[in-house]
Amino acid sequence: QKEVEQNSGPLSVPEGAIASLNCTYSDRGSQSFFWYRQYSGKSPELIMFIYSNGDKEDGRFTAQLNKASQYVSLLIRDSQPSDSATYLCAVNKGANNLFFGTGTRLTVIP
Amino acid sequence: DTGVSQDPRHKITKRGQNVTFRCDPISEHNRLYWYRQTLGQGPEFLTYFQNEAQLEKSRLLSDRFSAERPKGSFSTLEIQRTEQGDSAMYLCASSEQGAYYEQYFGPGTRLTVT
Repeated sequence: QKEVEQNSGPLSVPEGAIASLNCTYSDRGSQSFFWYRQYSGKSPELIMFIYSNGDKEDGRFTAQLNKASQYVSLLIRDSQPSDSATYLCAVNKGANNLFFGTGTRLTVIP
Repeated sequence: DTGVSQDPRHKITKRGQNVTFRCDPISEHNRLYWYRQTLGQGPEFLTYFQNEAQLEKSRLLSDRFSAERPKGSFSTLEIQRTEQGDSAMYLCASSEQGAYYEQYFGPGTRLTVT
């Protein structure tokens, strides 16, 4: 079983819509959760992190965590073409390194 | 704050050659990580340092790989006797010692082994 699983997509949404990206993790002891954005050929860029159940909002981005279901999501409101990228979910189990999913490719259609 | 920097950005080498990459972390960060990423995959952890101490190494880090952080500032990753399977993006990240250890990545070094 993989540590972190994401739907690889591609996920296509029209400009201005809400994009919903999902991630599940296998280890109940996981402590903190991260979303990174990665443009093609570039390195991952940290967007948000969350560590307690519920929602965390930052501008157009909302991270949601449900530890009972071992589920993390990222919502992007008012999606823009510049949001088109691969979104990586990462989990820290307290062992200092991050476990990454394979990423979901998002395309925002103008 | 200039962010994490890596050098070189691209490296093409022939199979069997040795290569060395450098990473300079964000100045106040005492933790430094190396990851490897291949096409279509997420980054995979290789090793991490707290100050100059190498505290963890992945099973992915074969004997041909060695990493150092001699003065607790920059780090080097050396690959000896490169193989075609070593072709990947090598990413360095750094973090402060804090509760959640948010890691910030450098631009990466893309290695191509021919």
